[in-house]
Amino acid sequence: DIVMTQSPDSLAVSLGERATINCKSSQSLFYSSNNKNFLAWYQQKPGQPPKLLIYWASTRESGVPDRFSGSGSGTDFTLTISSLQAEDVATYYCQQYYSTPLTFGQGTKLEIK
Amino acid sequence: QVQLVESGGGVVQPGGSLRLSCATSGFTFSTLAMHWVRQAPGKGLEWVALIWYDGTNKYYADSVKGRFTISRDNSKSTLYLEMNSLRFEDTAIYYCVKNQAVSYFGVDVWGQGTTVAVSS
Repeated sequence: DIVMTQSPDSLAVSLGERATINCKSSQSLFYSSNNKNFLAWYQQKPGQPPKLLIYWASTRESGVPDRFSGSGSGTDFTLTISSLQAEDVATYYCQQYYSTPLTFGQGTKLEIK
Repeated sequence: QVQLVESGGGVVQPGGSLRLSCATSGFTFSTLAMHWVRQAPGKGLEWVALIWYDGTNKYYADSVKGRFTISRDNSKSTLYLEMNSLRFEDTAIYYCVKNQAVSYFGVDVWGQGTTVAVSS
């Protein structure tokens, strides 16, 4: 199974500042036949289901604000929120869909400083 | 718009059974794989099972293999999860999740979830 490890477990950032969450996979998520990384990011607010933010490591889902961006390749990935807004308080998860079982990181709880 | 509505959750004793359903609309159900993902209270996300668009292939997490069965009825656009030999550690919110596209297993839309509590 591919193990996904996020860092940090929790993060407090001031409004308007940058937030960065890291995700590391135990094996490469890059598939050479389509030149893509099989990595997604989700946002989950309390009492709600997860919401897809980013797929293919860096493609923003329709309707997601452009302050959210994803980067990385192979085994190391980053979710960046360029200017934190109050509504971004949530837990963020990375997930690999390179192979079954699909696996998630443990989550990163983002709060306002 | 895409809608996924889970039902069938409840309180069950250890060793008992439940059948979850997920009624879908707003997309062509018969063309996409579907998933179940669960979240134990205060914990992270755990993928549970996947079924191909036509039901011919199914995959399970080791934690549920041999106890849970995923199935679908494309004529009713409905996904199911039959859960047997339930354990305390199966207590969770169970989400029905739609596959994003036909050619890979990324997911996009999640239902609101149905709660399963295994308690004596």
